Amino acid sequence: DARVTQTPRHKVTEMGQEVTMRCQPILGHNTVFWYRQTMMQGLELLAYFRNRAPLDDSGMPKDRFSAEMPDATLATLKIQPSEPRDSAVYFCASGSPRGGLTGELFFGEGSRLTVL
Amino acid sequence: AQTVTQSQPEMSVQEAETVTLSCTYDTSESDYYLFWYKQPPSRQMILVIRQEAYKQQNATENRFSVNFQKAAKSFSLKISDSQLGDAAMYFCAYRSVPLGGGADGLTFGKGTHLIIQP
Repeated sequence: DARVTQTPRHKVTEMGQEVTMRCQPILGHNTVFWYRQTMMQGLELLAYFRNRAPLDDSGMPKDRFSAEMPDATLATLKIQPSEPRDSAVYFCASGSPRGGLTGELFFGEGSRLTVL
Repeated sequence: AQTVTQSQPEMSVQEAETVTLSCTYDTSESDYYLFWYKQPPSRQMILVIRQEAYKQQNATENRFSVNFQKAAKSFSLKISDSQLGDAAMYFCAYRSVPLGGGADGLTFGKGTHLIIQP
């Protein structure tokens, strides 16, 4: 049963601490996306990788957020230092090359981050 | 940039009745995908139905169907015989099919909270 795996599911941290979220995309998928979901802003695209290369991170606050894909099986999203306004659910999604046959993106279960 | 608008923040329907959720989008592209995703309280994003823009026939998946009006840039979701398990947030989403290998992430609407009345 292929699925996108995200860790941690929940994270509570204090302001100023570093937070790292991890994502394992579905094997064979070459596109990986990071989304942030909040009540106010809805689902926002933060970063996007194709074949491990970053294509678009214009939605990401550059001073504190960074996204990497060290290999095809791991994508990371790091926040340093974290702030209370970063509290949100962070989703990772992966997709087939050029959308495959369906164009569908497959989502992980999300990481709920609370920054106190 | 593409935008997706869901004008109904919340909808309520009686169990077994039919409900239609609205979605409009703005794009200058001719080829793209449209999706409806469901997000129950578990927060998992679940694909409900998809539509390729080049297909004129409206997509159908069991009790779920869409009314795709390409010229009007409208993509509504109809849920027939509503069930308690249909209660969730529903997101309309747009995805480009870039010819030059450009970005093709999903652009989401703000969502519609669907309540099913027993």
